[in-house]
Amino acid sequence: GAVVSQHPSWVICKSGTSVKIECRSLDFQATTMFWYRQFPKQSLMLMATSNEGSKATYEQGVEKDKFLINHASLTLSTLTVTSAHPEDSSFYICSVYAWSVNGYTFGSGTRLTVV
Amino acid sequence: DQQVKQNSPSLSVQEGRISILNCDYTNSMFDYFLWYKKYPAEGPTFLISISSIKDKNEDGRFTVFLNKSAKHLSLHIVPSQPGDSAVYFCAASAGTGNQFYFGTGTSLTVIP
Repeated sequence: GAVVSQHPSWVICKSGTSVKIECRSLDFQATTMFWYRQFPKQSLMLMATSNEGSKATYEQGVEKDKFLINHASLTLSTLTVTSAHPEDSSFYICSVYAWSVNGYTFGSGTRLTVV
Repeated sequence: DQQVKQNSPSLSVQEGRISILNCDYTNSMFDYFLWYKKYPAEGPTFLISISSIKDKNEDGRFTVFLNKSAKHLSLHIVPSQPGDSAVYFCAASAGTGNQFYFGTGTSLTVIP
């Protein structure tokens, strides 16, 4: 299979603090991971493409200094929401393309609530 | 601009009947399409895919149809089961391994 583990599954934090979300490919190597965000009743929107060993590629409108992405190994990518604000409250999901199954595998998602 | 659209936010079907979920796209460069199923508070689960060289792909109870001229694809579930109740997303990309664009999802309820 192609299993992707994402945690935490939910987190509540105070405004102004930072939150780190981890995405791990458990049984395969992932040179590229994708980070998505979903607001209520909206589609999944790509935030950035995380490349192992290099800088992430951010989509237009996504602040790279606010959403820090680190992909230091072939099995782990992290998304850190810095100085979180209530408007950052959303559902964040990572995704990895697994050649072994010729398809995309998603993490279970992280529900972030900033109060 | 929404490049992938699912115009029906919800759909209710009786158990045993056929469920048809529709998806339209605007980008003619899209050549690879996926359907995902998503339960509340979980990440999407891959369901079925189709590439533009085919117009139909079948996997058990799930069949995806692609009409390239109309830029339209649909997912047929037959027979529908209560466990199929979930939100279904279609997604499209220009080439495998590239970024996907998602529709807003259709919430399917299968009534026992």
